[in-house]
Amino acid sequence: AQSVTQLGSHVSVSEGALVLLRCNYSSSVPPYLFWYVQYPNQGLQLLLKYTSAATLVKGINGFEAEFKKSETSFHLTKPSAHMSDAAEYFCAVSGSNTGFQKLVFGTGTRLLVSP
Amino acid sequence: KAGVTQTPRYLIKTRGQQVTLSCSPISGHRSVSWYQQTPGQGLQFLFEYFSETQRNKGNFPGRFSGRQFSNSRSEMNVSTLELGDSALYLCASSFDGERNTQYFGPGTRLTVL
Repeated sequence: AQSVTQLGSHVSVSEGALVLLRCNYSSSVPPYLFWYVQYPNQGLQLLLKYTSAATLVKGINGFEAEFKKSETSFHLTKPSAHMSDAAEYFCAVSGSNTGFQKLVFGTGTRLLVSP
Repeated sequence: KAGVTQTPRYLIKTRGQQVTLSCSPISGHRSVSWYQQTPGQGLQFLFEYFSETQRNKGNFPGRFSGRQFSNSRSEMNVSTLELGDSALYLCASSFDGERNTQYFGPGTRLTVL
């Protein structure tokens, strides 16, 4: 079985500050890992994904994440926060044992950006 | 290319009723998955359809069912609605095969009174 743990249900940063959202995964098979963002009253938008190619993954809107097998982590970062980044962020995992189309999500982290 | 569309966007039902939600995937996508999002349980996988066949299923009671049509459009049905079924139901589609990324629609907000 697979699972992800997102540390911190809320993260607050100032505009222009570094954004760091933490995600640790558990998987008995090589994982596929994803970060999605959800704005109020909307669906999920894919930010980036790791599928066993490069361990440093670059996504949209200046976000990136690094897959670290030794730490079972896939933390999301952005060098400089923008007001428009305020949203809820979800880390998700899938794998061959439960089906690649079955995403298992973390509980989400709400990012608050202050001026 | 148009994204995933879901209809209706909002729905209010009463306990005991049944409801059908619709999802149209991105053109060319043959896999459709459904998820339930609630404040208490978060995002949970319901089921996935590929080429009109259910390929994977989550841990939901039999009141939750789905189907997929030959044009890849999908519907999910919930019978005998309970208050706890109030949720945002999200549909996601992917191109082909199991290893492709899922793209989500805006969701259907179901309220059960």
